[in-house]
Amino acid sequence: QTVVTQEPSFSVSPGGAVTLTCGLSSDSVSTSYYPSWYQQTPGQAPRTLMYSTNIRSSGVPDRFSGSILGNKAALTITGAQADDESDYYCVLNMGSGIWVFGGGTKLTVL
Amino acid sequence: QLQLQESGPGLVKPSETLSLTCTVSGGSISSSSYYWGWIRQPPGKGLEWIGSIYYSGTTYYNPSLKSRITISVDTSNDQFSLKLSSVTAADTAVYYCARQYHYSGHTNFDYWGQGTLVAVSS
Repeated sequence: QTVVTQEPSFSVSPGGAVTLTCGLSSDSVSTSYYPSWYQQTPGQAPRTLMYSTNIRSSGVPDRFSGSILGNKAALTITGAQADDESDYYCVLNMGSGIWVFGGGTKLTVL
Repeated sequence: QLQLQESGPGLVKPSETLSLTCTVSGGSISSSSYYWGWIRQPPGKGLEWIGSIYYSGTTYYNPSLKSRITISVDTSNDQFSLKLSSVTAADTAVYYCARQYHYSGHTNFDYWGQGTLVAVSS
């Protein structure tokens, strides 16, 4: 059973920077897993922030960036704003037509 | 502007089959490089990929749900559907349909429906 791991929660100060990570229980995440990132606010459908590791989706500000840090995928938010307070999910392409969501990170801006 | 809309019963009895349809408008379900996927989210919990389908009918299923899932496509009506059999309370969730860009491994769930809550209860 593949488990994609994310920090359950994180907090950041307004104007600050935070890096959320996306790991695998049994392997290192590389670009070959084509990690993507989604933002979800309560009661809303998720929206894409990043795909293929570091390609920003249309309309996403450049305060958001994606990368591989060590053995994990990473989403970095700089200049955090109040409306960045959301749940963030990563998705990994496991190959063979299987995609797995991480458990999500609840980001608080305070 | 592409839009996806889920439809189906909001309440299903335990052991019965959950059936949902996603209608695509503003674009064709027969577009190449796109799969069409189902994702669910139990109340207060995270997202779970259920499965995806290509317009040709090729399907990909979550291994943990595979024995209970059927996803089908109706290209003439730009719709795709989900059937989940033998449901239990654990299947209570908001069910989303989404367009899934997919090319050479690159994947992006780029358009989502608003989601529909399906409760499993007698």
